[in-house]
Amino acid sequence: DAGITQSPRYKITETGRQVTLMCHQTWSHSYMFWYRQDLGHGLRLIYYSAAADITDKGEVPDGYVVSRSKTENFPLTLESATRSQTSVYFCASSDQANTNYGYTFGSGTRLTVV
Amino acid sequence: AQRVTQPEKLLSVFKGAPVELKCNYSYSGSPELFWYVQYSRQRLQLLLRHISRESIKGFTADLNKGETSFHLKKPFAQEEDSAMYYCALPPNRSGAGSYQLTFGKGTKLSVIP
Repeated sequence: DAGITQSPRYKITETGRQVTLMCHQTWSHSYMFWYRQDLGHGLRLIYYSAAADITDKGEVPDGYVVSRSKTENFPLTLESATRSQTSVYFCASSDQANTNYGYTFGSGTRLTVV
Repeated sequence: AQRVTQPEKLLSVFKGAPVELKCNYSYSGSPELFWYVQYSRQRLQLLLRHISRESIKGFTADLNKGETSFHLKKPFAQEEDSAMYYCALPPNRSGAGSYQLTFGKGTKLSVIP
């Protein structure tokens, strides 16, 4: 599904740097999500958003910031990257409030913090 | 709080053998459960929804409220089924805001030729 795109696909950054991961969807889905995927932990929710200008913390929000000024964009910023934030990050969107139809995921961003 | 447990990190089966990927949950009320699949280095894709009672790629999953399980089954495994599988459910509360899924830790299925 090309309707949700993440950029960049791969990113290497240094400890302490700020880095922003982009997520863009073309369906005008109200709901958007950021997850990180790590071996042994599965998928953990970082932040989510019900609409433009409405965001909430998930399970592991520390060290991350999000914004949603437009419905179609949901960038995730690591304010000061740490090695523990090395992970694969997935953005997802949904157009159903009660998730009966599940999510559609982006292709992911593989972030390495050195 | 709701919880999803996938007890097996890795499951290896031979091609043609039956497959059962286990998922147990804790939830108050009637859960809406999902199975997602992730093929190597690809995005997660929705495989099954409990609510639709469908069969996709030969996989089925039945909700067992007594055992609080939603195991994923396939009678004959194929090599192309090798992937990571995640079970997921939404939060307990209903109404506005009840939309973020909780995922299990996943089970890696390896089908041996």
